[in-house]
Amino acid sequence: DTEVTQTPKHLVMGMTNKKSLKCEQHMGHRAMYWYKQKAKKPPELMFVYSYEKLSINESVPSRFSPECPNSSLLNLHLHALQPEDSALYLCASSQAPGLLAKNIQYFGAGTRLSVL
Amino acid sequence: QQQVKQSPQSLIVQKGGISIINCAYENTAFDYFPWYQQFPGKGPALLIAIRPDVSEKKEGRFTISFNKSAKQFSLHIMDSQPGDSATYFCAASKAAGNKLTFGGGTRVLVKP
Repeated sequence: DTEVTQTPKHLVMGMTNKKSLKCEQHMGHRAMYWYKQKAKKPPELMFVYSYEKLSINESVPSRFSPECPNSSLLNLHLHALQPEDSALYLCASSQAPGLLAKNIQYFGAGTRLSVL
Repeated sequence: QQQVKQSPQSLIVQKGGISIINCAYENTAFDYFPWYQQFPGKGPALLIAIRPDVSEKKEGRFTISFNKSAKQFSLHIMDSQPGDSATYFCAASKAAGNKLTFGGGTRVLVKP
């Protein structure tokens, strides 16, 4: 099973709302990722968790707050977003970094976010 | 700084033809080069990947060619089918790392 499950599939929120995106994997992967993808562009890395600890934050605004409650779950909490934050938000997972690992990242289908 | 350059941005090919997408990288520390396929409304899915100790890798109709000295690699899609119509991203990373650097993407349209 190479499935990464993301919920919800679609989300519309106002600029004053608080919402959360969820991601789940059961492949035993210990690295999990959040990406943002705009139309016709490649995914842009936002955050990386390795062994449930935040290892990379690509200078993402604080209105995006990641959380990794356990090795299978990853959340992205959203607050006071701007219309330009509208995008496809992708979650991915992979083996934890290491000499014997391969950086094969498995992506979920994403959450299509619209900020009004 | 774009560390992986991908071309062309878009490509139209007739059914049964060959689609060729090229990528060039700058960072010589990269040692893992995957290709991802993405259909509209879906996340990217790993298609095929190569390490620099191999000059070519073939999986079905998909072949990666790798030129380490030129720091270039390419994807060939043989006998292209309408179902291959998608956006293709090349990427590069350190295999033991956890950060992928993506190319800009190529939208491929296969006409019946």
